[in-house]
Amino acid sequence: AQSVTQLDSQVPVFEEAPVELRCNYSSSVSVYLFWYVQYPNQGLQLLLKYLSGSTLVESINGFEAEFNKSQTSFHLRKPSVHISDTAEYFCAVSENNAGNMLTFGGGTRLMVKP
Amino acid sequence: DTGVSQDPRHKITKRGQNVTFRCDPISEHNRLYWYRQTLGQGPEFLTYFQNEAQLEKSRLLSDRFSAERPKGSFSTLEIQRTEQGDSAMYLCASLGSPDTQYFGPGTRLTVL
Repeated sequence: AQSVTQLDSQVPVFEEAPVELRCNYSSSVSVYLFWYVQYPNQGLQLLLKYLSGSTLVESINGFEAEFNKSQTSFHLRKPSVHISDTAEYFCAVSENNAGNMLTFGGGTRLMVKP
Repeated sequence: DTGVSQDPRHKITKRGQNVTFRCDPISEHNRLYWYRQTLGQGPEFLTYFQNEAQLEKSRLLSDRFSAERPKGSFSTLEIQRTEQGDSAMYLCASLGSPDTQYFGPGTRLTVL
C-alpha cells in the first residue's frame, strides 16, 4: 500500500523568503505525484503534478517541485513567497493503472508573515 | 468547463438523522471520486465510480454510507443515522485528462 509523509505540519516564513515543503512517499509501483493547495473552507486546487517526462515541474504562480525517484520525494519549493501563499498544502500520490485513487499526506500549513 | 460543484456547501444535522450530498462532476468526466477530510488531516479516499459503476470502496465507508451515480453524471452520498464522528468535509472530484483529479468546494457536515 502506498503512503505519503509530509514532514512539517507547519512552516512559518517571512514574505519574500524562500520556502521548501517536504513530501516523501512509499510505493512498490510507479506513481503519479501531485501538490494541491487548500484555502480555508474551500476545496483543493491543483498546484502542479508529475506524470512523466521531466522530473522538474512548475506552476504558473512560481512554485516548482522535483520528482526524485531514488529518494522517493517530491518536495515543493518557491524562491520568494507572498502573503497570498498562506494556505494548506497537500502532497498526494496515485499508483499507475490502479483507479487513480489519491493517497494524501497530512498537509503542511504555510504561514507567510509580513 | 464549469468545474466540479457540490451541494450543499454546509449541513448541520442532529445525531441520528440521515443526510444526502450531491456532486456534479465536470461534464464528460467518466470517473468520480468521494473523499472525507477531518479537521487538520489530509483527505481520505471513500469510493469512486466509472460512469454508473461503483468500482471501489474504502474500509472507511461503513454500512451507514451509500453512494450512487445512477446515470453516470451526478453522484449522491448518503449517510444514515449520522454520528458525531461523521463530522467532516466531504470532497468530490472528477478525473480529467491526463490522470488528474479536479475537486469541488466540498460539503462541510456538522453533526450535533
